[in-house]
Amino acid sequence: GENVEQHPSTLSVQEGDSAVIKCTYSDSASNYFPWYKQELGKRPQLIIDIRSNVGEKKDQRIAVTLNKTAKHFSLHITETQPEDSAVYFCAASIGTNAGKSTFGDGTTLTVKP
Amino acid sequence: TAGITQAPTSQILAAGRSMTLRCTQDMRHNAMYWYRQDLGLGLRLIHYSNTAGTTGKGEVPDGYSVSRANTDDFPLTLASAVPSQTSVYFCASSDLPGGGYGYTFGSGTRLTVV
Repeated sequence: GENVEQHPSTLSVQEGDSAVIKCTYSDSASNYFPWYKQELGKRPQLIIDIRSNVGEKKDQRIAVTLNKTAKHFSLHITETQPEDSAVYFCAASIGTNAGKSTFGDGTTLTVKP
Repeated sequence: TAGITQAPTSQILAAGRSMTLRCTQDMRHNAMYWYRQDLGLGLRLIHYSNTAGTTGKGEVPDGYSVSRANTDDFPLTLASAVPSQTSVYFCASSDLPGGGYGYTFGSGTRLTVV
């Protein structure tokens, strides 16, 4: 089955700096890659996603890039703010396989004021 | 407010007892999922359902069962709880005509088996 590895497990940045979280996946059939943000004690929430026919997608301060050949994708957060502090999860899924997502183990991002 | 409702919010359960975690969505999403979240292990899929009347096993299905009698409800049952089932359980749904869409998660159930 699919295996998703996520790095780093923890990341600390100064407010205003950029943060990058990287994920690799194993199943070349995966074609949908969402990112979730989970604040302490709350549910994961979808923040951005990318499909295999797109190399990059941006939404304000958040962007995701996908390299299908290398089977890796990354989340980029620019101009970080303290409210960006949370656990971020990447995931990979095959659209024809019930949409089941395999998650990475998460990255705890801390933005220091 | 549209979304997914999980109940109970938290529960302490004696080992060997059974319990059903409830999950209801009002978005008419076809697909529903149960994940458990353990510290350092991320989210692992227990069971899923493509559509009402069908279910499938995920990565860690042992000790759990599900049913999908209708579109809205997807209960998760622990037949005989063990301490290793202590976890936070999240129900999720997806509007899935086969293209792969992001999940909407419920607020979770924190289960402690003692």
